[in-house]
Order: sequence, then C-alpha cells, then structure tokens
Amino acid sequence: GAGVSQSPRYKVAKRGQDVALRCDPISGHVSLFWYQQALGQGPEFLTYFQNEAQLDKSGLPSDRFFAERPEGSVSTLKIQRTQQEDSAVYLCASSLRRGGTGPDTQYFGPGTRLTVL
Amino acid sequence: AQSVAQPEDQVNVAEGNPLTVKCTYSVSGNPYLFWYVQYPNRGLQFLLKYITGDNLVKGSYGFEAEFNKSQTSFHLKKPSALVSDSALYFCAVRDGTGGFKTIFGAGTRLFVKA
Repeated sequence: GAGVSQSPRYKVAKRGQDVALRCDPISGHVSLFWYQQALGQGPEFLTYFQNEAQLDKSGLPSDRFFAERPEGSVSTLKIQRTQQEDSAVYLCASSLRRGGTGPDTQYFGPGTRLTVL
Repeated sequence: AQSVAQPEDQVNVAEGNPLTVKCTYSVSGNPYLFWYVQYPNRGLQFLLKYITGDNLVKGSYGFEAEFNKSQTSFHLKKPSALVSDSALYFCAVRDGTGGFKTIFGAGTRLFVKA
C-alpha cells in the first residue's frame, strides 16, 4: 500500500521488558515523526527525523526511549525497561518535505497500542 | 509556547444539521493550523489546513474551517452532518518559525444522531 504502516499493531509487555516499534513511512518522504497518544488525549510529539538525522528528540520522556532511522526510510522506536506509564498508542507520521519548511501535511500510520503489565 | 484548546469534549448534533467543532490556539508568529479525524483503531486522517490567504478553508468530506486571527480560532464546520461523521476530531498547530513540533489539542468527539 501507499500509506504509512506500523508494526506490530498491538504489543503487550511485562514491566521491565524492552520493546521495539517499527514504522514504514511513505516512500520518498523526507520527514518522519513519532508521537505518543495516551488514552483520551491528543498525540504528543516525541521526536523528528529528517532523512536519517534525528533533529529533534526533545519530546522523548526519558533516556529509556530511543529512536533511529539509519537509512532514512524505516524507523524504529525502542523503549527499554518498560514501565506501566509507557502504555499508550505510538503513532508514526511522515511528510514529503523537511519538517521546518512550512505547513507540510503529515500522514499518519494506524499506530501501535502498547500495554505494559 | 504553542498551545491548542478544544473546549468541548463532545459535540452532539442531529443528522442533517450543521456542525461546529471549536478550536483556539496560541502560537508565536503566523500559525499553520490543521484538522485531523480519527476513527476507531485507525490513524489520524488529514482533513484540511490553513496556511495563509482565505480565512475559509475547504477540505475533505465536505468539511471547512474558518480562521479568525483576532479571536485566534480555527473552528471546524460542516453544513449538513452525516452519521458517518461521528469520530474524534483533533485540531493542531505549528508555528511559522521553522520548528518541527506540531501541537495537538485533546480532541473533540463528534456524535451525529440519525
């Protein structure tokens, strides 16, 4: 398909486990964003990639969160030693141009629902 | 700092009636404003955006939004609601200074009754 895909769609982890969430952006999109959406809330910015460069990681809640996009396409969000407060939907979005150049539309994936027990 | 407020948790409207979902914002400089819709178990879908120019922006599925600079508002509207419009709607803002962050409101659930 031509949209943003994310895997897995659902992930259940025991507290303390490490998890890895994958995002496949739309082909050719330069910008990639990760968001965290808690239940009943709007998405909150986590981090931004322009190609393979992580230009903004100010939204990552702790050093347990790590994101990478090594070849400028697929991205992985890793959470180490998961805690119950990490339970949320993690959304990935991509856009065609550089993130700072105007009102580029972001296209969102379906999200990964993470539940930490 | 950027912020977005959606003052209504839920909006109820009868099918065929006009609907309005409210949004106000605070941002440095000129804003870029967006509306997204979210259906259950699906990602956010883009509806429309304001860049500059006409204050009335037309988007997907018959939705439109009115930008009001003096009131710092960007309300979403539709002349005639459909039951299938029932979903969660998010307003979002990005400032025009080149930053990467997009700030989303908490969302408004629209319920259209047949």
